[in-house]
Amino acid sequence: DAGVTQSPTHLIKTRGQQVTLRCSPKSGHDTVSWYQQALGQGPQFIFQYYEEEERQRGNFPDRFSGHQFPNYSSELNVNALLLGDSALYLCASSLSHGEQFFGPGTRLTVL
Amino acid sequence: AQSVSQHNHHVILSEAASLELGCNYSYGGTVNLFWYVQYPGQHLQLLLKYFSGDPLVKGIKGFEAEFIKSKFSFNLRKPSVQWSDTAEYFCAVIMNRDDKIIFGKGTRLHILP
Repeated sequence: DAGVTQSPTHLIKTRGQQVTLRCSPKSGHDTVSWYQQALGQGPQFIFQYYEEEERQRGNFPDRFSGHQFPNYSSELNVNALLLGDSALYLCASSLSHGEQFFGPGTRLTVL
Repeated sequence: AQSVSQHNHHVILSEAASLELGCNYSYGGTVNLFWYVQYPGQHLQLLLKYFSGDPLVKGIKGFEAEFIKSKFSFNLRKPSVQWSDTAEYFCAVIMNRDDKIIFGKGTRLHILP
């Protein structure tokens, strides 16, 4: 079992660009949650997807959007990037409301 | 606003010392409580969790945590730390069983050999 995988591992973008991050959940998991972890902070919840629908959302602007595919993998899209979007983006998968297993994260740098 | 506070941002201990990391949350209703650990270069992983029942919860690697409802606390403890416990520790809470998980800012623990 590969666990939760994320791609890419690192990404550099400039302000105003758009980015797509990808996550494959642990085998058997149907729920994917996305978090933003800024330097020196704990992960902050962005949103959660279940059955291809956004089930919950944290306090993030509409520039942050996502998608879940029939195979339960998920994408996080961020439009109109700002310098403040630079962070580690974590994906976690779970079976509905069960224990969340985290991936290694994607480090996004916005210049 | 609902929040999770971890009192110590950086803790330095010698091997064999006892450890207690504080965690408090601001919510009066039903909570699910977690401690996660991130070892250097590794993913976040679950140390232990509390959903209901015995408020003293035992986790992996000799860690335990006690839920004290009246104090809104879920402190992490280990009687004798090892150098390999060097990591960042995050307290996390789900306030109201179906709500999102909220993390504290983390405590960086450094164990001196």
